[in-house]
Amino acid sequence: DAGVTQSPTHLIKTRGQQVTLRCSPISGHKSVSWYQQVLGQGPQFIFQYYEKEERGRGNFPDRFSARQFPNYSSELNVNALLLGDSALYLCASSDPGLAVEETQYFGPGTRLLVL
Amino acid sequence: EDQVTQSPEALRLQEGESSSLNCSYTVSGLRGLFWYRQDPGKGPEFLFTLYSAGEEKEKERLKATLTKKESFLHITAPKPEDSATYLCAALNFGNEKLTFGTGTRLTIIP
Repeated sequence: DAGVTQSPTHLIKTRGQQVTLRCSPISGHKSVSWYQQVLGQGPQFIFQYYEKEERGRGNFPDRFSARQFPNYSSELNVNALLLGDSALYLCASSDPGLAVEETQYFGPGTRLLVL
Repeated sequence: EDQVTQSPEALRLQEGESSSLNCSYTVSGLRGLFWYRQDPGKGPEFLFTLYSAGEEKEKERLKATLTKKESFLHITAPKPEDSATYLCAALNFGNEKLTFGTGTRLTIIP
């Protein structure tokens, strides 16, 4: 079975530009979460979407936005990029509809470098 | 605010030398405690989910345990391929986000 896939794998942008990152969840999973991980730190929660609706939002500025499509894939958009947005962006999928299955499975990430 | 603290930050062991990694958590109502392994530049790989105090899970050389305030990841007779950063994360009943610790960077020396 295919796991969580993300694209692109690497991206270089300059300050002020906009970026779109993409994620496809595990087949059958209806929830997608996005995390930002800077070097040496644990992942920080950005958003969670379930059945195309936002279920949670972390402490990130409005420059960050996301959406989920009818096929449960998701996009994360970041506008007006800052140097501090350089990080590994992780997507995780889960199926919270299962009674006890809360586990989030992560993709390989997109490495974003802002110059 | 939910908090997860991992210790030590880094640990170097000789091959075969058993040890434990600690994860202390403060959450308003724990829904699940998760352990992940992360290799450099890659996404976290799921290891275990623990739901209630007293629960234990094992996989190969790893065993995870949970109390009301902390979790331990025990590694028995580790091999060099066990070298990685081990992340602990908590999920509470009040929201949908995983709160991660900063990880323990484990190095196993042949």
